[in-house]
Amino acid sequence: EAQVTQNPRYLITVTGKKLTVTCSQNMNHEYMSWYRQDPGLGLRQIYYSMNVEVTDKGDVPEGYKVSRKEKRNFPLILESPSPNQTSLYFCASSPRVGASTDTQYFGPGTRLTVL
Amino acid sequence: GDSVTQMEGPVTLSEEAFLTINCTYTATGYPSLFWYVQYPGEGLQLLLKATKADDKGSNKGFEATYRKETTSFHLEKGSVQVSDSAVYFCALSDRAGGTSYGKLTFGQGTILTVHP
Repeated sequence: EAQVTQNPRYLITVTGKKLTVTCSQNMNHEYMSWYRQDPGLGLRQIYYSMNVEVTDKGDVPEGYKVSRKEKRNFPLILESPSPNQTSLYFCASSPRVGASTDTQYFGPGTRLTVL
Repeated sequence: GDSVTQMEGPVTLSEEAFLTINCTYTATGYPSLFWYVQYPGEGLQLLLKATKADDKGSNKGFEATYRKETTSFHLEKGSVQVSDSAVYFCALSDRAGGTSYGKLTFGQGTILTVHP
């Protein structure tokens, strides 16, 4: 089954404790990205990747890091989480870079709470 | 920059009622337009899309027409069901040649609740 998977689905942590949210897609997609969803703000892009070892900032990158060492995986790293990073996070992928007509496929989401 | 504005929610309807969720956009290029739906506890999934002016996207009884003259992409359904209860997001993706590289710009989302 074609899908985007994320782990963990739920995470409660404390300020300053490094964490990683994993994302993997099995569709051989070129483009991957991370979004955060906050009430009243919709989804905002954090980082995106156009290929292996090619990543760039989205609209709200502060406090996050990413890497793309393999085409299928795109982990999101919070090196020192803070309470304002409490949010619902989605990983997404799409077949081609820069193809605005492509559908993006979303993972199930990771609900993160930082105390 | 690009932006999407959706009608304020939440929207509460009775089963078989007519649904309209308004969506307008601002874009510098020639965007593709999307409606995504998020059912409770799940990720977003594509509901429908339109990639050029006057295109109509449709799926599961939902429709939306890409209106360039009014910069709108309103979502409609003639008869909603309880199972349509979800959060609906309007989004755009600007064409290559800009700097978006396929980024989706989302509206704030509209919560729809349908009662039996």
